[in-house]
Amino acid sequence: KQEVTQIPAALSVPEGENLVLNCSFTDSAIYNLQWFRQDPGKGLTSLLLIQSSQREQTSGRLNASLDKSSGRSTLYIAASQPGDSATYLCAVNAGGTSYGKLTFGQGTILTVHP
Amino acid sequence: DGGITQSPKYLFRKEGQNVTLSCEQNLNHDAMYWYRQDPGQGLRLIYYSQIVNDFQKGDIAEGYSVSREKKESFPLTVTSAQKNPTAFYLCASSIESALSTEAFFGQGTRLTVV
Repeated sequence: KQEVTQIPAALSVPEGENLVLNCSFTDSAIYNLQWFRQDPGKGLTSLLLIQSSQREQTSGRLNASLDKSSGRSTLYIAASQPGDSATYLCAVNAGGTSYGKLTFGQGTILTVHP
Repeated sequence: DGGITQSPKYLFRKEGQNVTLSCEQNLNHDAMYWYRQDPGQGLRLIYYSQIVNDFQKGDIAEGYSVSREKKESFPLTVTSAQKNPTAFYLCASSIESALSTEAFFGQGTRLTVV
């Protein structure tokens, strides 16, 4: 059974720092991996989607990498801002009979203080 | 605006009562999903549906039921058999295609047992 782990569980940084969030998964046979952002009491906003054949994806200050063979992904946030404060979730998609079925990690709670 | 609409935002259930959470999407997506989120935990899959009039159990389906009579709608009923229903419920949808599997989420419904 696929298990997804995110480290650290919580992270507090001063504004302007570059930071890395980690995600690991136990079964490397994934179809893709998706990073989400969740604000308190809200739904999930998709940040980046990396297909299994890709090594990284970039969107603005965000860069996500994928090393499928080692079962790891990282989300890099450059020049962090207070508005980046949220919970960040990674989820893997095993494909197969349902392409959208996801297995989630527990999330990393990020606080960026001014 | 295209998206996923969940209602109500807050719902209170009395002991022994069935309640239904609504999820509607206008993205023309084939697949729809229901996840449950508990504090400090990742999202867990309750039910999913890949096409109209068909659905499959996820990891924690006991005490829940769904229907998929229309492509746009995937309501979730929390029955009295669900012993610990207090949680945040999230609905998602995706195109059921190997070429595009990005999942999109609604804003969630917070269910509380009173």
